[in-house]
Amino acid sequence: DGGITQSPKYLFRKEGQNVTLSCEQNLNHDAMYWYRQDPGQGLRLIYYSQIVNDFQKGDIAEGYSVSREKKESFPLTVTSAQKNPTAFYLCASSIRLPSPLHFGNGTRLTVT
Amino acid sequence: GEDVEQSLFLSVREGDSSVINCTYTDSSSTYLYWYKQEPGAGLQLLTYIFSNMDMKQDQRLTVLLNKKDKHLSLRIADTQTGDSAIYFCAETNNAGNMLTFGGGTRLMVKP
Repeated sequence: DGGITQSPKYLFRKEGQNVTLSCEQNLNHDAMYWYRQDPGQGLRLIYYSQIVNDFQKGDIAEGYSVSREKKESFPLTVTSAQKNPTAFYLCASSIRLPSPLHFGNGTRLTVT
Repeated sequence: GEDVEQSLFLSVREGDSSVINCTYTDSSSTYLYWYKQEPGAGLQLLTYIFSNMDMKQDQRLTVLLNKKDKHLSLRIADTQTGDSAIYFCAETNNAGNMLTFGGGTRLMVKP
C-alpha cells in the first residue's frame, strides 16, 4: 500500500540537542511538506520541497533544516536554535498542488 | 497574505446535522479543502472544491462555497460519534505552491 511513513511516533530529547525526524513516501509524489502543530492550533508550514535537491522556507523555518536528496525522503532536523521545539510534527506530500496533500501520522517531539 | 478562520468548537447530538464554517481571504484561491484529524493522528482529506463551483456533495458530506462572502461550509448529515474530530479547512496560496490552514474546529458528537 502506498503512503507516508513518519518515524518515530514519539521522540524525547534534552534541550540543546539536535534531532532528526524521518519522513518517507512511496506515492511517487514530487512535493513534500513539513508542518508544525501546537495544542489547539492549526498547522504552520516549516519547509517544503517541490523537487529533489530543492526546498523553500515556509512561515516558521527558523531553527529547522531539511534535505531532499531522494524523491521519497524529506527529513527534518530540529536544531538547538529552535526556541520552542516541543510540538506535533506532520509531514505531507502531493503530486503537485493543487492536488490534495496526503499526510503521515505525525511525530510528537518533547524536549525537556 | 492568506488567512483562514474557523470557529473553535461545535457540539451536536448524534443523528443531527453538523455545519462547520470557514472564512478565507484569498479571492484568487483555486481550490479549497476540508481535512479531518482524529486524536494523535495525521490529517485525512475529506473533500475539496474548485473555486468555480458552488456546491459539492459526497455521501453524507456537502460543501457549500460562497465566493462573494469568501465563506466555505462543510455539512455532515446524520452525524455519528465517529465523526468526533478536529476539522480543518485550507486554501491554496496565491502562488499555488502551498496550503494555508485554518485553526481547526473541534466537533463533539454526543450520543
